[in-house]
Amino acid sequence: ETGVTQSPTHLIKTRGQQVTLRCSSQSGHNTVSWYQQALGQGPQFIFQYYREEENGRGNFPPRFSGLQFPNYSSELNVNALELDDSALYLCASSITRSTGELFFGEGSRLTVL
Amino acid sequence: DQQVKQNSPSLSVQEGRISILNCDYTNSMFDYFLWYKKYPAEGPTFLISISSIKDKNEDGRFTVFLNKSAKHLSLHIVPSQPGDSAVYFCAASGGGSNYKLTFGKGTLLTVNP
Repeated sequence: ETGVTQSPTHLIKTRGQQVTLRCSSQSGHNTVSWYQQALGQGPQFIFQYYREEENGRGNFPPRFSGLQFPNYSSELNVNALELDDSALYLCASSITRSTGELFFGEGSRLTVL
Repeated sequence: DQQVKQNSPSLSVQEGRISILNCDYTNSMFDYFLWYKKYPAEGPTFLISISSIKDKNEDGRFTVFLNKSAKHLSLHIVPSQPGDSAVYFCAASGGGSNYKLTFGKGTLLTVNP
């Protein structure tokens, strides 16, 4: 059974640029959620996708957007990067929209200079 | 406004002794609680959960206690092992937003041999 995989694992961008992070869900999981974990903080919910539609959103501006594809893989896009966007971005998949056990990837570490 | 609080940034215990990690929450609508463990350079992994209709859930060495009146939960690890050394996150969901988890900041547990 393949777990949740994310790419890239590390990347560096400059302020104002755009970034796309990718995630492959665990086999059989039709729901994907994205979380941002800043240094010294717990993961913070960005949004969730279920069957290719946004199912819920946290307190993040519209420049954070996402996609879920028919094979349940997912992307997180962030436009107009700001210094505070520097964080670990975690993708999590699950078999239900209601939160039970989430299966997390190892994350993508984004540094904005 | 932090709805899930882990007031101890770190905890150190001896191998074989009990580890007790604490978590407080403020949102009375939360009805499902989870603990996640995170090793460096890995994503969080699910450890144990408890529904608000219960006050205790046990899984091997791990037991979670829930005190709804105090809005407090704790994770007990007995006996603690060096491999348990990790960051432990408390998380909660519910109240119509059951598609997302609200995490605490985490507690770094160090189990000394």
